[in-house]
Amino acid sequence: DARVTQTPRDKVTEMGQEVTMRCQPILGHNTVFWYRQTMMQGLELLAYFRNRAPLDDSGMPKDRFSAEMPDATLATLKIQPSEPRDSAVYFCASVPGGGTEAFFGQGTRLTVV
Amino acid sequence: GENVEQHPSTLSVQEGDSAVIKCTYSDSASNYFPWYKQELGKRPQLIIDIRSNVGEKKDQRIAVTLNKTAKHFSLHITETQPEDSAVYFCAARGGSNYKLTFGKGTLLTVNP
Repeated sequence: DARVTQTPRDKVTEMGQEVTMRCQPILGHNTVFWYRQTMMQGLELLAYFRNRAPLDDSGMPKDRFSAEMPDATLATLKIQPSEPRDSAVYFCASVPGGGTEAFFGQGTRLTVV
Repeated sequence: GENVEQHPSTLSVQEGDSAVIKCTYSDSASNYFPWYKQELGKRPQLIIDIRSNVGEKKDQRIAVTLNKTAKHFSLHITETQPEDSAVYFCAARGGSNYKLTFGKGTLLTVNP
């Protein structure tokens, strides 16, 4: 049963530290999304890639967030420096080429203290 | 860019009643409208979807309707059961850019 894999599952870090979250999309999926989930904002789109090319990262605070897809099996989301307001669950989702359904990973719960 | 509005934010119904969640979208080029269910502590999972060339789709107790002219779509759950309790998200996908934008979610509670 192919699944999107995210690591770490949980991360607690101190304000100012760098945080890197990783996502392994399902093999053969060519669109990858990064979402942030908070109680108030629901599922907020941060960035997405198609065939590894970044298409839109307008939802990301550019001064501290960066998203990359170094190869087809890995997408990364980095926060530097982290702040308490970044505390949220970060989801990665991938879509198969020619398909429509977005498959979500388990999420990374980030707590910045 | 696309903007998806979802109402209500919370909905409480008695077991056996129907539940309706409504969404509107802003980009007339959007062509695909999925609905996701997220149980507490779990990942969102697709429950039903509809494309812009279809007005209604049904799968057992759930159905989705789409009004392209008004740019709104709705999720209907009939004969609700306690296990339907979850957060439901609607979404819209851009016609040419594959961008998937979600509403803010509806917390549905089905009381036994």
